[in-house]
Amino acid sequence: DVKVTQSSRYLVKRTGEKVFLECVQDMDHENMFWYRQDPGLGLRLIYFSYDVKMKEKGDIPEGYSVSREKKERFSLILESASTNQTSMYLCASSDSISYNEQFFGPGTRLTVL
Amino acid sequence: AQKVTQAQTEISVVEKEDVTLDCVYETRDTTYYLFWYKQPPSGELVFLIRRNSFDEQNEISGRYSWNFQKSTSSFNFTITASQVVDSAVYFCALRNYGNNRLAFGKGNQVVVIP
Repeated sequence: DVKVTQSSRYLVKRTGEKVFLECVQDMDHENMFWYRQDPGLGLRLIYFSYDVKMKEKGDIPEGYSVSREKKERFSLILESASTNQTSMYLCASSDSISYNEQFFGPGTRLTVL
Repeated sequence: AQKVTQAQTEISVVEKEDVTLDCVYETRDTTYYLFWYKQPPSGELVFLIRRNSFDEQNEISGRYSWNFQKSTSSFNFTITASQVVDSAVYFCALRNYGNNRLAFGKGNQVVVIP
């Protein structure tokens, strides 16, 4: 059973804290993605990576950074969390074939106080 | 550029009614792929179907059916005889050939009332 896992389902942090969200996939996929989901705004792409150590900005990269040191792991970093980063964060992975779908993790609901 | 529009935000239906979710897309590419995902309350997006731009054949899978029409740039999704388990957010998405990124619509919240 193929899987994308995320390190936490729920996370509560304080303003100014550094936050790490981890994502691991076991499908040997080249591509990995971080989205945030907010009511009325749908899914918005923060960053994605198409190979180890490679990354590209998505639509809303401000306030975030990412790290991909190993193929199966993609980390999202909030350097200094702010209340407007309270959201649901979804990780996904896919292979490099355009036809194939992305597989999603269960999501991390982050609350920044 | 790629864009997906799902106009209806929340749709409520009584159990056993049919519900159709509209998806309109924009792309300049001739080769592209369309997807539908379901997001139940648990949060994880579940893949339902994909269609490539050269295959306009409609598809039926149980109570789910999809109508792809290139002439109107639409890829609509119908749930027949809805059930409470169909309550979820449904996303339509578009991926251009050679592009790693998916463009998502804003989603349709479907609420099935028993």
